Amino acid sequence: QLVESGGDLVQPGGSLRLSCAASGIVFNTYAMSWVRQAPGKGLEWVAGIRGAGDITHYADSVKGRFTISRDNSKKTLYLEMNSLRAEDTSVYYCATHYGDYLNRLECWGQGTPVTVSS
Amino acid sequence: EIVLTQSPGTLSLSPGERATLSCRASQSVSDNYLAWYQQKPGQAPRLLIYGASYRATGFPDRFSGSGSGTDFTLTISRLEPEDFAVYYCQQYGSFPRTFGQGTKVEIK
Repeated sequence: QLVESGGDLVQPGGSLRLSCAASGIVFNTYAMSWVRQAPGKGLEWVAGIRGAGDITHYADSVKGRFTISRDNSKKTLYLEMNSLRAEDTSVYYCATHYGDYLNRLECWGQGTPVTVSS
Repeated sequence: EIVLTQSPGTLSLSPGERATLSCRASQSVSDNYLAWYQQKPGQAPRLLIYGASYRATGFPDRFSGSGSGTDFTLTISRLEPEDFAVYYCQQYGSFPRTFGQGTKVEIK
């Protein structure tokens, strides 16, 4: 099970940290990603991280502004979001991959909403 | 970046009919690393097909995936009421991972 938290209303240029708490899995053996969905729009892959936390990848739209990380001792995934823009407004989902590679997205949380607006 | 184009945008069909959804990639998807997801209103997406043609756990055999290279298809042989949803394709053969824009299957 994956449970996201941390979504909020934030002003443009602001920062936010999302969390995703996992249970029922051997957390450090799974790569994980964040995927977002703007209101009424499709899915956009945001960032991914391997099980050990040593390898990360980002979408061009967030590179340099967002940082994905994980604390395997706490079974928690994070997304640090800086310099937020109106176009970052979305529901943010965390998801596990199949094993320790950024392949298909097997298990999804229910999402946490982020609104960027003044 | 691989751009995935799904067609049609909306498919209006009746229960019992066959649905054929297309996903076309701007360049070849390596090793057919192509997945399909089903999303119902207010819910998270759910993995439906992976590796272009392998059905995920929990989905019946009326769902099937096919294709290779740049052209992929999701077929629902006989639509059931619970199948009306939005379907997304996603490639995971290269970075950044990308999704298609989705096909909505609605009740006619």
